Amino acid sequence: DVKVTQSSRYLVKRTGEKVFLECVQDMDHENMFWYRQDPGLGLRLIYFSYDVKMKEKGDIPEGYSVSREKKERFSLILESASTNQTSMYLCASCPSSGGPADTQYFGPGTRLTVL
Amino acid sequence: GIQVEQSPPDLILQEGANSTLRCNFSDSVNNLQWFHQNPWGQLINLFYIPSGTKQNGRLSATTVATERYSLLYISSSQTTDSGVYFCAVERRYNFNKFYFGSGTKLNVKP
Repeated sequence: DVKVTQSSRYLVKRTGEKVFLECVQDMDHENMFWYRQDPGLGLRLIYFSYDVKMKEKGDIPEGYSVSREKKERFSLILESASTNQTSMYLCASCPSSGGPADTQYFGPGTRLTVL
Repeated sequence: GIQVEQSPPDLILQEGANSTLRCNFSDSVNNLQWFHQNPWGQLINLFYIPSGTKQNGRLSATTVATERYSLLYISSSQTTDSGVYFCAVERRYNFNKFYFGSGTKLNVKP
């Protein structure tokens, strides 16, 4: 089974702190994603990566950056956390075979609260 | 981007009832998936269904790509079906970028 793990289930940070959220997948998937989930808005894509050191902006990249130094690990960085970044953050991975195998596998999520 | 609209936003069922969830999308897609998010937040893929019909136990899904909608059928619902159901699409020629609807929150009462 594919396993996607996230470094923390719950996280509380102060405004202005630098925050790192880490995601690791064990299935050698090329693609990895960071989403945030807010009530009534569904999941919105922050960034995704299709290869090591490659990244592309999603729909809401402002205030975030990412790092992918190894294939299995994708990090989301909040450079200076703000209260409007309080949210559930979900990491996902999928292969890029161009067919039915391109299903996304999600981690358990990190609920971040910024005070 | 592509607009993805799900209906209804909320649904309450008695155990054993059937239901249909709908997903409308505004452009041609390569990929359409249905997910279930359980009450603990874990998202699980249910179907990869860019077109046609698939069945998996009590769940089935149909996508009519030419009319830009997909339906998820839940038969003989159980309390474990509770949670939020999301539809996600990958726009044609815009690979690896998935757009999610806002979800249907289902509560199945015993």
